[in-house]
Amino acid sequence: ETGVTQTPRHLVMGMTNKKSLKCEQHLGHNAMYWYKQSAKKPLELMFVYSLEERVENNSVPSRFSPECPNSSHLFLHLHTLQPEDSALYLCASSPGLAFTNEQFFGPGTRLTVL
Amino acid sequence: AQSVTQLGSHVSVSEGALVLLRCNYSSSVPPYLFWYVQYPNQGLQLLLKYTSAATLVKGINGFEAEFKKSETSFHLTKPSAHMSDAAEYFCAVTSAAGNKLTFGGGTRVLVKP
Repeated sequence: ETGVTQTPRHLVMGMTNKKSLKCEQHLGHNAMYWYKQSAKKPLELMFVYSLEERVENNSVPSRFSPECPNSSHLFLHLHTLQPEDSALYLCASSPGLAFTNEQFFGPGTRLTVL
Repeated sequence: AQSVTQLGSHVSVSEGALVLLRCNYSSSVPPYLFWYVQYPNQGLQLLLKYTSAATLVKGINGFEAEFKKSETSFHLTKPSAHMSDAAEYFCAVTSAAGNKLTFGGGTRVLVKP
């Protein structure tokens, strides 16, 4: 595997389900990010991790819970989601935390909440 | 606060024609500017990046962008469109402090044969 991988690629869940999204980067980067990409809206930064510590949480509802067990893996735990949470969730990584660095994106998880 | 405006959410060009995607930004400090491309069913990929070294920046796949401070613009161009250029393009800006990256709304490019 190379670059940034995400699993699953597609996920359909009910509002009462609990699921997790997984991201893995094979680039040796120190920073990882979760973004939400909704139709007709700019990319929204959700969470930022640097060396496994959360450094930013952009007012994301608590039904989204990130986890970064090591610098290569990032999870997004989902529970009691709403239909408006349906979107493409993108994971990214970068060599360092500064946003002047290029970010490397995974292919995303297409989430549908019924 | 930073903001990025991409004029035109959809652009249609003929194969072989000029591609011009517009990006205007607001930033109170010298910016770093990016263009990313997203092909269908893929994540974003960096096309090019402006870091104040040169106002004309060349990127991958024949794309280039020109930074114009007086116009606060960073428009993306490609002289001759190819079918494989069909994708969504995002402009993004951050400050030199690099503590926030703001994306534009994206422009979807359709290439007609």
